Amino acid sequence: QVQLKESGPGLVQPSQTLSLTCTVSGLSLTSNSVSWIRQPPGKGLEWMGVIWSNGGTDYNSAIKSRLSISRDTSKSQVFLKMNSLQTEDTAMYFCARNLGGYGGYLDYWGQGVMVTVSS
Amino acid sequence: DVVLTQTPVSLSVTLGDQASISCRSSQSLEYSDGYTYLEWYLQKPGQSPQLLIYEVSNRFSGVPDRFIGSGSGTDFTLKISRVEPEDLGVYYCFQATHDPLTFGSGTKLEIK
Repeated sequence: QVQLKESGPGLVQPSQTLSLTCTVSGLSLTSNSVSWIRQPPGKGLEWMGVIWSNGGTDYNSAIKSRLSISRDTSKSQVFLKMNSLQTEDTAMYFCARNLGGYGGYLDYWGQGVMVTVSS
Repeated sequence: DVVLTQTPVSLSVTLGDQASISCRSSQSLEYSDGYTYLEWYLQKPGQSPQLLIYEVSNRFSGVPDRFIGSGSGTDFTLKISRVEPEDLGVYYCFQATHDPLTFGSGTKLEIK
């Protein structure tokens, strides 16, 4: 049974770095890709980036300079790091599995973790 | 980046009626392999998004046949026939053809 679960700090100070972890079960990261998606309160979904099954990454061009996605396949964990946080980065952050051709479809999602950027 | 424009922004539908949502792309979503990677998701209140349709018209496992995806190139439509109470929420289209991947801005479905 495939499951994804996000974890991380609920509060981050402006200008600091956000570090989130997506822990997966029921799948191997060496044969599955994982995306990060975020959603500011009351707003729409924003795809942030993906780590492909081969370890390569792609990022949303709007936040590419601040974002890094990595993984530890032995621990079944995917990591998101985003620096220079601002209040507009306050959002629910989700991880999801990509399956299928090219970018894939997002068939399993985590429950999300709320991150507030505030001093 | 590919921009997906969804219309309408919101939709109020009587139970049992049909709802239709449009998603227009700024570029063709047909990939070099001949497939079109356009998907539809529903986010119910307080929940994570859930996959409804992938590759334009394929229903994901467990999705009722009331949900019908269609379209090609740059114009796509999600139709929901016989709307039921559990269909309320925000619908998003999503393209996985071009990097970076992008979501539409969403369509909120309300029940009259």
